[in-house]
Amino acid sequence: QQQVKQSPQSLIVQKGGISIINCAYENTAFDYFPWYQQFPGKGPALLIAIRPDVSEKKEGRFTISFNKSAKQFSLHIMDSQPGDSATYFCAANISGGYQKVTFGTGTKLQVIP
Amino acid sequence: DAGVIQSPRHEVTEMGQEVTLRCKPISGHDYLFWYRQTMMRGLELLIYFNNNVPIDDSGMPEDRFSAKMPNASFSTLKIQPSEPRDSAVYFCASSLGVDGQPQHFGDGTRLSIL
Repeated sequence: QQQVKQSPQSLIVQKGGISIINCAYENTAFDYFPWYQQFPGKGPALLIAIRPDVSEKKEGRFTISFNKSAKQFSLHIMDSQPGDSATYFCAANISGGYQKVTFGTGTKLQVIP
Repeated sequence: DAGVIQSPRHEVTEMGQEVTLRCKPISGHDYLFWYRQTMMRGLELLIYFNNNVPIDDSGMPEDRFSAKMPNASFSTLKIQPSEPRDSAVYFCASSLGVDGQPQHFGDGTRLSIL
């Protein structure tokens, strides 16, 4: 099964709060999990990515948590800012020459002042 | 360094007309992807190429859609004849064929079929 399920569909967070977006997958062959950020009128852009050999990866205010046994991973945005307002996509693909990426359905995040 | 360039940015045309969307990938990238984004269906992969050769076109909705990549620096997505349900934002993306390398997206073509 190639699906990546993402929730919630939309999220409103107060400035300074924590935004959490969750994803789940079924294909155990997936071994690379990127998150993309998309602003209105722009294409998605890579935000942060993780491989399943680590349980957490942090870059600035953005952290990916990965639970291999549960086949779930999540994005945490600490100290959320209005500039973080965007649509976030989780994704997954298989290494070894397969460049096709399976995207989640997206989460529209709005950070209010 | 130029990113992925798509043209036109906006296209409005009448049902039944032929539509051609264009993409220039990042130089040196050997993979090229065409996506369609709608509110209802999210981001859908239509087709992708490796070294100018179509690898997987299973996402192309029907025979009205066709894509070509005549060389490493240019690709087209054509819809003929167009229908109102084809209205969407179409993205082109390119990537290096190396594990862990991201896809780089263009800014998309917003297509409206009246």
